[in-house]
Amino acid sequence: NAGVTQTPKFQVLKTGQSMTLQCAQDMNHNSMYWYRQDPGMGLRLIYYSASEGTTDKGEVPNGYNVSRLNKREFSLRLESAAPSQTSVYFCASVNKKETPLHFGNGTRLTVT
Amino acid sequence: QKEVEQNSGPLSVPEGAIASLNCTYSDRVSQSFFWYRQYSGKSPELIMSIYSNGDKEDGRFTAQLNKASQYVSLLIRDSQPSDSATYLCAVTYSSASKIIFGSGTRLSIRP
Repeated sequence: NAGVTQTPKFQVLKTGQSMTLQCAQDMNHNSMYWYRQDPGMGLRLIYYSASEGTTDKGEVPNGYNVSRLNKREFSLRLESAAPSQTSVYFCASVNKKETPLHFGNGTRLTVT
Repeated sequence: QKEVEQNSGPLSVPEGAIASLNCTYSDRVSQSFFWYRQYSGKSPELIMSIYSNGDKEDGRFTAQLNKASQYVSLLIRDSQPSDSATYLCAVTYSSASKIIFGSGTRLSIRP
């Protein structure tokens, strides 16, 4: 049982490049989330998808786009990477909103 | 004002003592509250969840919720060096499935 799988684990981009972070869960969860965590900081919500077919902005959505491809997969796209987007990105999922999040192992992204 | 606030610390507590971590939130109708522990370089892991006013105990951990005052706290009894980590408070907002974290409190247990 893999849980929440994020790819890639590490990525280095140059300013202006684009990339997509992938996330998949095998727990049949309804809701999925993307967070970023900067050094010494908590998690900040970028986007979330309450259910298949819906997406909503979180606290820091600027510079990102998301796609809920199906119930399993929720991708995060950086169209034109900036050094300010250097961070660790966590994907998470939950079945019902009253239950705890299940996290992936994170993607460490560096933008130079 | 952030939706979920925590004291960033670091909070230093001697081994064997009680560590007290606090969190306040802004949405009066929030329903679900969670404490996660995060070791450096790792993903957050759930410590406690609490949904109704009062205390909830699980081993050395006690979560306390006061919805009238909009705060939730975590007590760690008999603190161990392995408890040294960052503790994150998370709140589920009633409007949708939005889950917001505080900035985390770094806890250090000194021998």
